[in-house]
Amino acid sequence: QKEVEQNSGPLSVPEGAIASLNCTYSDRGSQSFFWYRQYSGKSPELIMFIYSNGDKEDGRFTAQLNKASQYVSLLIRDSQPSDSATYLCAVNENREDKIIFGKGTRLHILP
Amino acid sequence: DVKVTQSSRYLVKRTGEKVFLECVQDMDHENMFWYRQDPGLGLRLIYFSYDVKMKEKGDIPEGYSVSREKKERFSLILESASTNQTSMYLCASLVAGAYNEQFFGPGTRLTVL
Repeated sequence: QKEVEQNSGPLSVPEGAIASLNCTYSDRGSQSFFWYRQYSGKSPELIMFIYSNGDKEDGRFTAQLNKASQYVSLLIRDSQPSDSATYLCAVNENREDKIIFGKGTRLHILP
Repeated sequence: DVKVTQSSRYLVKRTGEKVFLECVQDMDHENMFWYRQDPGLGLRLIYFSYDVKMKEKGDIPEGYSVSREKKERFSLILESASTNQTSMYLCASLVAGAYNEQFFGPGTRLTVL
């Protein structure tokens, strides 16, 4: 059973600090990795994807991938109260064009 | 921008009713998906489709069926709604290619009484 694991949280971070969200996955053949943000009562919104080892930066967000350790993370710099949401990690099974989702980490930014 | 729309944001139905949830995407994506999302259980895949008239069971297909008569439209059908099908239903479409990004519709909150 292919799995994507995340700490459910809540993760509480002071406003202005760096929030670090982590995710591990079981399928070594996974190729693409995604971070979705989901506000309460809303649908998931794709905010980052990464496919190569290393870091990928987009504004205040940095995705980090380490395929050897089967680990992907999301860093949010200068955290804002509007970043408070659930963050879903997702991994692509290229063979079937399916996405496997983690259950999400709840992030709470403290004003 | 990719646009995925769902027919209703909120729906209330009675036990035993037949329920249709519709999803439309405007980006000519081949792959479409139906999920349900429940607290503590995360997103669970019900059915998906790679092409018109093609469908594949996901992890929890029991009690559901789907229809894909046109590429842009993917319908989820609850043949006889039950209270345990009260949930948030999310449709998604996927850009098949190098990275396979998946985009979600706004969701339908279904309550079965």
